[in-house]
Amino acid sequence: SQQGEEDPQALSIQEGENATMNCSYKTSINNLQWYRQNSGRGLVHLILIRSNEREKHSGRLRVTLDTSKKSSSLLITASRAADTASYFCSYPAQGAQKLVFGQGTRLTINP
Amino acid sequence: DAGVIQSPRHEVTEMGQEVTLRCKPISGHNSLFWYRQTMMRGLELLIYFNNNVPIDDSGMPEDRFSAKMPNASFSTLKIQPSEPRDSAVYFCASSFLAGGGVYEQYFGPGTRLTVT
Repeated sequence: SQQGEEDPQALSIQEGENATMNCSYKTSINNLQWYRQNSGRGLVHLILIRSNEREKHSGRLRVTLDTSKKSSSLLITASRAADTASYFCSYPAQGAQKLVFGQGTRLTINP
Repeated sequence: DAGVIQSPRHEVTEMGQEVTLRCKPISGHNSLFWYRQTMMRGLELLIYFNNNVPIDDSGMPEDRFSAKMPNASFSTLKIQPSEPRDSAVYFCASSFLAGGGVYEQYFGPGTRLTVT
């Protein structure tokens, strides 16, 4: 299976703290993406990082990619209650024009 | 742009009935994906189309499932006959694929299907 893994499966922190989620994958990739899913909604694309990039920022989001370790991390700084959601990493399946999604990390921000 | 549009948003049906889910992708996108999401199995890709042509249907669970894309602005996912284990949220997503790359997908709000 090409499916990657996310860690942790669930994370609960206090508002204002930073949240870090990790993703590991198994194949060679040319990009990796992170998505957010609020309860009862569809997934929303957050950020894409290419294989020749090591770090990328977007607002309070910071994504890193280590292709030698086949891993990525998503950091959300100064978390807010509205950040409560599930977060998924995703990357192209090898040899196919489709994305592989991990199982997701359920993030809960406590006020 | 209105984004990806799915209908209906909720569907409750009895076992054995035919169910048809509909999707309108974002205008200009050339690829469309159907996913199913359950607590047990997570997000599963069922089938995807590129330029209205089915490319990979290996995720379609059984012959009871079929999908069509008659034109660039419309797709259907049909289950006939439906079974209780088909209960899930079904998402449609669209994307623009170019040069062999795989880029961000835009998801619809989903159809929550309950088969009793």
